[in-house]
Amino acid sequence: EDKVVQSPLSLVVHEGDTVTLNCSYEVTNFRSLLWYKQEKKAPTFLFMLTSSGIEKKSGRLSSILDKKELSSILNITATQTGDSAIYLCAGGSGGSNYKLTFGKGTLLTVNP
Amino acid sequence: ETGVTQSPTHLIKTRGQQVTLRCSSQSGHNTVSWYQQALGQGPQFIFQYYREEENGRGNFPPRFSGLQFPNYSSELNVNALELDDSALYLCASSSLAGGLDTQYFGPGTRLTVL
Repeated sequence: EDKVVQSPLSLVVHEGDTVTLNCSYEVTNFRSLLWYKQEKKAPTFLFMLTSSGIEKKSGRLSSILDKKELSSILNITATQTGDSAIYLCAGGSGGSNYKLTFGKGTLLTVNP
Repeated sequence: ETGVTQSPTHLIKTRGQQVTLRCSSQSGHNTVSWYQQALGQGPQFIFQYYREEENGRGNFPPRFSGLQFPNYSSELNVNALELDDSALYLCASSSLAGGLDTQYFGPGTRLTVL
């Protein structure tokens, strides 16, 4: 059975701190690793990673995939209170029936 | 905002009842996937619809069923509701052609079963 494990499950930091969120996966027929941010309801897409070692960046957020270690990290620098959310990692698997297996998420709280 | 819409926003049902949830996919997307997210958990894959056919299913019983229509919108039906069915139901649309694609989520339907 496919499995995605995220750590830590929750994290409290102060504004301006840098955080690193971890994701490990065991996904058959692995195709991609995705990160989403969930604030209230709909998870919003952050990154899709398919190649090992290539960093994807968007502003203060960046992510990298390590296919050898079956893991990924999401970094957020200079955190702001608006970064407070649940960050979900998902492994994409399959061929024509491509599906996502999600971890439980990391609850990030950024205090002013 | 992704352009994926879901209705209704909230729903309260009692055990044993049946429910239908609806999803309209983003323009240009032909694939809809449904997920169940229980409190404190990540979303769990229920099934996916592509070109009006079920195209993959997660570990959910047959009382969870679905449909996709020619305009690519989709329905999730749940029969004989149980208390454990209380969750946020998310649909995600994508443009699947046998390859990778990002799934974009709708705002979800919060189902409460009493």
